Amino acid sequence: GAGVSQTPSNKVTEKGKYVELRCDPISGHTALYWYRQSLGQGPEFLIYFQGTGAADDSGLPNDRFFAVRPEGSVSTLKIQRTERGDSAVYLCASSSTTSGGVRGTQYFGPGTRLTVL
Amino acid sequence: QKEVEQNSGPLSVPEGAIASLNCTYSDRGSQSFFWYRQYSGKSPELIMFIYSNGDKEDGRFTAQLNKASQYVSLLIRDSQPSDSATYLCAVSAGGGNKLTFGTGTQLKVEL
Repeated sequence: GAGVSQTPSNKVTEKGKYVELRCDPISGHTALYWYRQSLGQGPEFLIYFQGTGAADDSGLPNDRFFAVRPEGSVSTLKIQRTERGDSAVYLCASSSTTSGGVRGTQYFGPGTRLTVL
Repeated sequence: QKEVEQNSGPLSVPEGAIASLNCTYSDRGSQSFFWYRQYSGKSPELIMFIYSNGDKEDGRFTAQLNKASQYVSLLIRDSQPSDSATYLCAVSAGGGNKLTFGTGTQLKVEL
């Protein structure tokens, strides 16, 4: 497909468990972003990658959250020792560049709904 | 104070009317402004983007930007029931183009 894909679409886990969420960006997009959206709220920035490196991780809430993009394409968001407050929809977006303008437009994937019991 | 503010609504308009959605932002360094539409249970979908003061039109949609007033709006002409969704205003201040979103305005277009 041509769009951003995310797996799994739904993830239910127990408090204290480890989870991995995967994002496959649009082919050729060098910039990849992770956001988190809680019910009734807008998406909240977590981290973004330019290529393989995390250029800005200022939105990660604490050190239980970590993300990687080892080959500059697919990214994995990792959450350790999950808490009930981590329950949300995790959205991934990609763009051609991180600059402004048309090429900087971000396109979102369908999201992963994480539920921590 | 939230960085991007929107009235949560719901905003109800009759079919065929003009829907006006408003957004204010606090960071004067903001450079790029986006409107996303989000249907219930779905991910945000880009509707419009605007970078310069003034109006930008695309079909039934018009985005308006006033940087002096730190205000951006979206007008939807000839509203249709399929326009019923939450509209998210997003702002980028550069620095990697990460987006700051408002909480969204729920629009209901009634028959």
